[in-house]
Amino acid sequence: DAGVIQSPRHEVTEMGQEVTLRCKPISGHNSLFWYRQTMMRGLELLIYFNNNVPIDDSGMPEDRFSAKMPNASFSTLKIQPSEPRDSAVYFCASSLIRNTIYFGEGSWLTVV
Amino acid sequence: QKEVEQNSGPLSVPEGAIASLNCTYSDRVSQSFFWYRQYSGKSPELIMSIYSNGDKEDGRFTAQLNKASQYVSLLIRDSQPSDSATYLCAVSLTSNQFYFGTGTSLTVIP
Repeated sequence: DAGVIQSPRHEVTEMGQEVTLRCKPISGHNSLFWYRQTMMRGLELLIYFNNNVPIDDSGMPEDRFSAKMPNASFSTLKIQPSEPRDSAVYFCASSLIRNTIYFGEGSWLTVV
Repeated sequence: QKEVEQNSGPLSVPEGAIASLNCTYSDRVSQSFFWYRQYSGKSPELIMSIYSNGDKEDGRFTAQLNKASQYVSLLIRDSQPSDSATYLCAVSLTSNQFYFGTGTSLTVIP
């Protein structure tokens, strides 16, 4: 079975550019999570969706970040404009509601 | 106050010893509890889940939960060098929010 699929795996971009991270959850899972991981702050929950509906986006750092889930098999996390402090690993994860969550391999973002 | 607290370590144990990892959480409505292992450069992977008070054993791993004390732990028996990783404690709330601790770095010395 395919796990959570994220793209791109690695991205290096210049400050001010738009970054779009993509995620395909595990088929049949109805919850999707976006996390950001840094050495300083660990794994932070940015936003999560239940049945394609954003439930809690209080972890989104600021208006430069936005996330969408247009259907059950696809989600995007967008940063516009990007800043060096956005450099981190961004993980997408999915689950059945109130069950174990499974992570994708992450998108390693470097903003220079 | 963070929802989930862990000692960041690093924790070092000799090969064959018992490694003990601890986690406390602040939200009393937390429903489910998980331990994830993360190797450097990789994504977190589930080791154990526990939902009720007491111990749960799976091979060399034992998870312990005490809801009254808001405490969950992970014991690794007969530690191996391959167990060297960062261990993340996670709790989920009734609203399906999952919160992670910052992780404890474990090194098993051959």
